[in-house]
Amino acid sequence: GQQVMQIPQYQHVQEGEDFTTYCNSSTTLSNIQWYKQRPGGHPVFLIQLVKSGEVKKQKRLTFQFGEAKKNSSLHITATQTTDVGTYFCAGGTSGTYKYIFGTGTRLKVLA
Amino acid sequence: DAGVIQSPRHEVTEMGQEVTLRCKPISGHNSLFWYRQTMMRGLELLIYFNNNVPIDDSGMPEDRFSAKMPNASFSTLKIQPSEPRDSAVYFCASSLSSDQPQHFGDGTRLSIL
Repeated sequence: GQQVMQIPQYQHVQEGEDFTTYCNSSTTLSNIQWYKQRPGGHPVFLIQLVKSGEVKKQKRLTFQFGEAKKNSSLHITATQTTDVGTYFCAGGTSGTYKYIFGTGTRLKVLA
Repeated sequence: DAGVIQSPRHEVTEMGQEVTLRCKPISGHNSLFWYRQTMMRGLELLIYFNNNVPIDDSGMPEDRFSAKMPNASFSTLKIQPSEPRDSAVYFCASSLSSDQPQHFGDGTRLSIL
C-alpha cells in the first residue's frame, strides 16, 4: 500500500539555526498537506500544495512540492522555541478522500 | 468559531469494559475522520464518513471497534471489549470536503489497564 516516509525522525537544533524535514511518497500524489502538532496537542493544518514544483512561504516557513509530485519539504529559517513540535506531511491521491500521514519529524529547539 | 469537539479528554478504564468516544464536527463540514495515534504506529486513519455515511472502515482494527454517525453533528467511536493495546490518543477530524484541510479535535487520551 501507499507509504509516506519522513526524514529525519528527530531533529534538535539551536535556536536561530535552520531546519528542514523531507517527505517521500511511494506513489504519485495529487496534493500534499502539512500539519504541525505541538507536544500534547493535536495536528494543526499549515498548508496545502497542489502543483508540481510549487513553492509556498509562510513567514519563516518554506514549503516545496517536488516536480514528480512524490516528495515535499518544509524548511524553517532561523528556528525559534515556538517552532517546537512534530511536523507531519499528509499525501493525498487523486480520486480518493484518504490522506496518508507521514511518520513525522519531531523538532526540538534549544534556547 | 467552535472547532471540533471531542469528549472525554481522558479516559482510564479496565480491560474488558466498553469505551465510547464522542465527536462533534464543525458545522457545515461533510467529511469526518477518526484517527488513532501511538508512538509505534503514528497517526492511523480508522474510518471516514462522508455526509454521515461510512465510506471506508478498512482501518478499523477489528470487530471490537465500531463507529456511527447518526447525524451531521455527532459521531461516536466504540470499543467493546477494550484491551490494553487499545491505549492511544484518538482524534476526530472534520473537513469541508474530503480534499480540504482537516480540523482536528483535542483528542481523547485512552488508557486501558
